[in-house]
Amino acid sequence: GDSVTQMEGPVTLSEEAFLTINCTYTATGYPSLFWYVQYPGEGLQLLLKATKADDKGSNKGFEATYRKETTSFHLEKGSVQVSDSAVYFCALGGAGSYQLTFGKGTKLSVIP
Amino acid sequence: ETGVTQTPRHLVMGMTNKKSLKCEQHLGHNAMYWYKQSAKKPLELMFVYNFKEQTENNSVPSRFSPECPNSSHLFLHLHTLQPEDSALYLCASSRIIAGGGSGELFFGEGSRLTVL
Repeated sequence: GDSVTQMEGPVTLSEEAFLTINCTYTATGYPSLFWYVQYPGEGLQLLLKATKADDKGSNKGFEATYRKETTSFHLEKGSVQVSDSAVYFCALGGAGSYQLTFGKGTKLSVIP
Repeated sequence: ETGVTQTPRHLVMGMTNKKSLKCEQHLGHNAMYWYKQSAKKPLELMFVYNFKEQTENNSVPSRFSPECPNSSHLFLHLHTLQPEDSALYLCASSRIIAGGGSGELFFGEGSRLTVL
């Protein structure tokens, strides 16, 4: 079945540091890939997405590229801010399925 | 504001109580979902409704009973819960796309449930 593996947290960075959160997936066919973010006390919000190979999703300074050859969708940001502190979830949506398969989440803490 | 509203935001109940969680979406979506989020565990899909018909039930105990009277409203009825059911319950909605797949999910802020 489909699965998503993302790096274990928590991750602690200083403000303006470079962020990478690794995500790899296993799926049949051509899934869509997503990054969701959950701020403290809130539900999940879509951060960015990519629907086909080599697509790059971007939003709020975050980027991720759909790499079919390495089955990866790593999240990056060049300069993190304290307000980026949250839990980040990688997810995939298989063709023909109503379900999204989520990774376990990576907690990011950014300190001033 | 995601267009998905959940009430109540916080609920404390005893093991013999009956309560319900409510979810409403204002996005014109045709699929709705219940997820359970527990500390240190992956997000667990509980139920999926497509056009009011239940299409997924991931081996959820019968003490959780979903109801979807129309494509905009979703309920989760709770009865004789256990302390280990304490968690954040998240509702989501999506538009079903061609081929039967799901577009992106839009989540509510969740209902934090504590079972004493």
